[in-house]
Amino acid sequence: DGGITQSPKYLFRKEGQNVTLSCEQNLNHDAMYWYRQDPGQGLRLIYYSQIVNDFQKGDIAEGYSVSREKKESFPLTVTSAQKNPTAFYLCASSPSTVLVAEAFFGQGTRLTVV
Amino acid sequence: SQELEQSPQSLIVQEGKNLTINCTSSKTLYGLYWYKQKYGEGLIFLMMLQKGGEEKSHEKITAKLDEKKQQSSLHITASQPSHAGIYLCGADNPNTDKLIFGTGTRLQVFP
Repeated sequence: DGGITQSPKYLFRKEGQNVTLSCEQNLNHDAMYWYRQDPGQGLRLIYYSQIVNDFQKGDIAEGYSVSREKKESFPLTVTSAQKNPTAFYLCASSPSTVLVAEAFFGQGTRLTVV
Repeated sequence: SQELEQSPQSLIVQEGKNLTINCTSSKTLYGLYWYKQKYGEGLIFLMMLQKGGEEKSHEKITAKLDEKKQQSSLHITASQPSHAGIYLCGADNPNTDKLIFGTGTRLQVFP
């Protein structure tokens, strides 16, 4: 079955360390997205990619980095520069950025900085 | 920039009661989507509304988009514990081709 997979489900990081969240999809979607969710703030866009080897900053890209070397994969690195990284992170993919409404979402990764 | 405001932020209802969640946009909506998220999990697409005055139903959940296309409501009839979760509205932003989300409504249903 096609789908989008995020791993791990829970992640703990020490302050000052970088950490990478995995997102893989086998839906043959061109576009992929990373969102961050904080209580009471809904989802906010971190980065998105319309095609392999290309990505764009979203609304809150500072302290994050991404890569899109393969169509299926869009890993997100939370760097030590991110001042408040504890949050729930959701990855999504869609056939294109024009068809955002047909996005599929992963199960999410909860990152906690200790 | 376009913003989506949801109300209420949190809702606790007794099983069997009806409830309504609202989503208000600062600008005209070109596509309005409702999602449900179980705590700590991904989003599940519920339904999409595009035309002013449009109404769609799925099982006991009904969503409407007003004629001016700036407000949507999600109505749950005879709520059940399985309806518990976070409900998010989302909208297309035609200027950026990005999907923006509302602030979310946390629903709890107790027996």
